[in-house]
Amino acid sequence: DGGITQSPKYLFRKEGQNVTLSCEQNLNHDAMYWYRQDPGQGLRLIYYSQIVNDFQKGDIAEGYSVSREKKESFPLTVTSAQKNPTAFYLCASSIPLGGYTFGSGTRLTVV
Amino acid sequence: ELKVEQNPLFLSMQEGKNYTIYCNYSTTSDRLYWYRQDPGKSLESLFVLLSNGAVKQEGRLMASLDTKARLSTLHITAAVHDLSATYFCAVDSSWSTDKLIFGTGTRLQVFP
Repeated sequence: DGGITQSPKYLFRKEGQNVTLSCEQNLNHDAMYWYRQDPGQGLRLIYYSQIVNDFQKGDIAEGYSVSREKKESFPLTVTSAQKNPTAFYLCASSIPLGGYTFGSGTRLTVV
Repeated sequence: ELKVEQNPLFLSMQEGKNYTIYCNYSTTSDRLYWYRQDPGKSLESLFVLLSNGAVKQEGRLMASLDTKARLSTLHITAAVHDLSATYFCAVDSSWSTDKLIFGTGTRLQVFP
């Protein structure tokens, strides 16, 4: 079955450490997105990519980085510059006018 | 800048009752989406509304879009406990991308 796979489901980061969240899709979608969700809040866009080897900053890109070397993959790195990274991270992909298909999410906690 | 507002933010309702969730947005768009999120889970697509006057129904939920009023509604008919979840609307922010801006969500709790 086609879908989006995010891993890991839970991730713990130490102070000053970079961590990478994986997002893989086999839907053949061109566009992919990363959102952050804080408890009781809506979703805020971190980065998005409409095509391989191209990506744009969203509303809260500071402290994050991405790459899009393959159509299927859009990993997100949370760098040490992100001072408050504890949140639920959602990856999504889309086709034009089709809305999003979301992954199951990664819950990141700073320890 | 596109802003998307939902109300109410929290809704507690009795089983069997009807209610409507409202989604207002600030700039022109004729593409609006509704999603459901269960606690600790990801988002599930409910409705895709792509034109003025669009109406979609699935079970006890019905969504509509009025692009002139920049308003979408999600109507719940005869609520049941299984509908308890958080509901988000999202609006396309640009003609050239599918970048969605999400509302703050409406947390729905249905009790017996």
